[in-house]
Amino acid sequence: EVQLVESGGGLVQPGGSLRLSCAASGFTFSDHYMDWVRQAPGKGLEWVGRTRNKANSYTTEYAASVKGRFTISRDDSKNSLYLQMNSLKTEDTAVYYCARSRGSYPHFDYWGQGTLVTVSS
Amino acid sequence: QSVLTQPPSASGTPGQRVTISCSGSSSNIGSNYVYWYQQLPGTAPKLLIYRNNQRPSGVPDRFSGSKSGTSASLAISGLRSEDEADYYCAAWDDSLSGPVVFGGGTKLTVL
Repeated sequence: EVQLVESGGGLVQPGGSLRLSCAASGFTFSDHYMDWVRQAPGKGLEWVGRTRNKANSYTTEYAASVKGRFTISRDDSKNSLYLQMNSLKTEDTAVYYCARSRGSYPHFDYWGQGTLVTVSS
Repeated sequence: QSVLTQPPSASGTPGQRVTISCSGSSSNIGSNYVYWYQQLPGTAPKLLIYRNNQRPSGVPDRFSGSKSGTSASLAISGLRSEDEADYYCAAWDDSLSGPVVFGGGTKLTVL
């Protein structure tokens, strides 16, 4: 059974940093692109970024709203995905989901339960 | 302001057929596949339709997707109370807006 479990969310002050993790199981993690999607309270879904697999050189892409502040990485030996968030702003407050991707398109076939990040002073 | 435009709300009675629209442009829906997600209250999104009109295993055939030009639609027939949820369309975008764009979401109420 495919499982994605996020962790690392919490309260952080504006300008601070936080690192989210996503533990994957039940599939060959190294084969897949992995994405982060967020949802601000009461709002819609917003794509954050993705990391491709080893076959595609682990290249990453980011939404304009987080580019230069957020970094996505992965450790295939630990079946884990990470989101390093720096220079956090109040508008980064959201539930952050990791999602398994089936290729280049927004084909997210499995999602984690999400972890809440609150940026507030 | 979302790149893909959806109506904020839709409603229907049990047994009815409801459609939810998703409008985009030539850089997203016009040249790429459309995906639909269902988000039940308090849960993570779930893939409902992929590649415009394909259903993942386990999704009832009451749900169907279509695409024409720069617009797409999700249709739900035989509406049931458990269909009450938020629905999002998504697509790859070849412009600077991308690469992945979502619609703003449509809240479906079953009356």
